[in-house]
Amino acid sequence: GAGVSQSPSNKVTEKGKDVELRCDPISGHTALYWYRQSLGQGLEFLIYFQGNSAPDKSGLPSDRFSAERTGGSVSTLTIQRTQQEDSAVYLCASSYKGRETQYFGPGTRLLVL
Amino acid sequence: ELKVEQNPLFLSMQEGKNYTIYCNYSTTSDRLYWYRQDPGKSLESLFVLLSNGAVKQEGRLMASLDTKARLSTLHITAAVHDLSATYFCAVDAGGTSYGKLTFGQGTILTVHP
Repeated sequence: GAGVSQSPSNKVTEKGKDVELRCDPISGHTALYWYRQSLGQGLEFLIYFQGNSAPDKSGLPSDRFSAERTGGSVSTLTIQRTQQEDSAVYLCASSYKGRETQYFGPGTRLLVL
Repeated sequence: ELKVEQNPLFLSMQEGKNYTIYCNYSTTSDRLYWYRQDPGKSLESLFVLLSNGAVKQEGRLMASLDTKARLSTLHITAAVHDLSATYFCAVDAGGTSYGKLTFGQGTILTVHP
């Protein structure tokens, strides 16, 4: 079956622009997670969704970051007024329910110039 | 705050040799994962360890968990080149963490002929 998909795979943007990153979880998975992977910080948790609600947004680094999930499926991570330190690989993962094995998508590689 | 530390961070092995990667974590957890990441790729789930004394094996890799020592090990037996990758342990702290994972820094494994 299809795994977690993310788009775009690569995104180059200019400092100050807004970007949207998309995640399609595995069908039937109710839990969805966003992580960020960068050389300096390793793998960091950003936000968790159960269904359409986000009980844990504790990892979002600033109020420039927001995320939503609709229909219990697709999620969008939005970064407003991008900064160079936002450059990283943004990974999405889903699991059947919370606290089960998370399956990761291929990631979106974001470069802010 | 949960901290997860792996060692070594870099491991260069000869084919046919055995070695162990260690993963220490700072607070109680009942759920630990091992993931593999190939260069430029996403994370692939290897093992989930759910209880003290749990041992899982797949091919040349064996993972174990000691919750009292807050330690997990990933043992590599008779290494082959195909095992070259970065290996991450990730800890689910439970409680209200909703399955949020805290990752170790990763161990870059290179297997030489």
